[in-house]
Amino acid sequence: LAKTTQPISMDSYEGQEVNITCSHNNIATNDYITWYQQFPSQGPRFIIQGYKTKVTNEVASLFIPADRKSSTLSLPRVSLSDTAVYYCLVGDPRDDKIIFGKGTRLHILP
Amino acid sequence: EAQVTQNPRYLITVTGKKLTVTCSQNMNHEYMSWYRQDPGLGLRQIYYSMNVEVTDKGDVPEGYKVSRKEKRNFPLILESPSPNQTSLYFCASSFSDRGFGYTFGSGTRLTVV
Repeated sequence: LAKTTQPISMDSYEGQEVNITCSHNNIATNDYITWYQQFPSQGPRFIIQGYKTKVTNEVASLFIPADRKSSTLSLPRVSLSDTAVYYCLVGDPRDDKIIFGKGTRLHILP
Repeated sequence: EAQVTQNPRYLITVTGKKLTVTCSQNMNHEYMSWYRQDPGLGLRQIYYSMNVEVTDKGDVPEGYKVSRKEKRNFPLILESPSPNQTSLYFCASSFSDRGFGYTFGSGTRLTVV
């Protein structure tokens, strides 16, 4: 059963770049890697997705190495409003289920 | 506005009293799913549905039922709620079952006493 591993929590300061890495050793060949952001008492919100190499949008960048066994979400110049839990999702090659990791609680300090 | 609507937002009930949490989406998505969220455990999938009349168990289906009679609706049914089902529940829908494009509802906080 494919699982994802992320740091439980991270702290950073406003204006810094934050990188959150997710490990997913058994990712399926055809699956994408997706990251979500969740604020307290709200449903998760889609941030970014990618298959390999690098993807960038107005919110974040996603770096995926050639072996696809990990991915790194990069948040440029974070602000206090980026304090949230960040989830990495990958497909399950055994039974097609989508598995959320336990998430990384990011705390931005002033 | 494209959205997933869950009701109720908050619910306190007693052990054994059947309840239904409704979920409706207006995006014509085929894929819908229910998750529960508990401190330290992240989001765990309860049931999902690939299309009308097609449902399957997620990671924690015990004590729950679902139905998908219409594309837009995917209610979660607790036939005999127990205190260990006290949790925050989220419904989500998507055009894909591969994890991207999910739209989540605002959540239902359920307390079973």
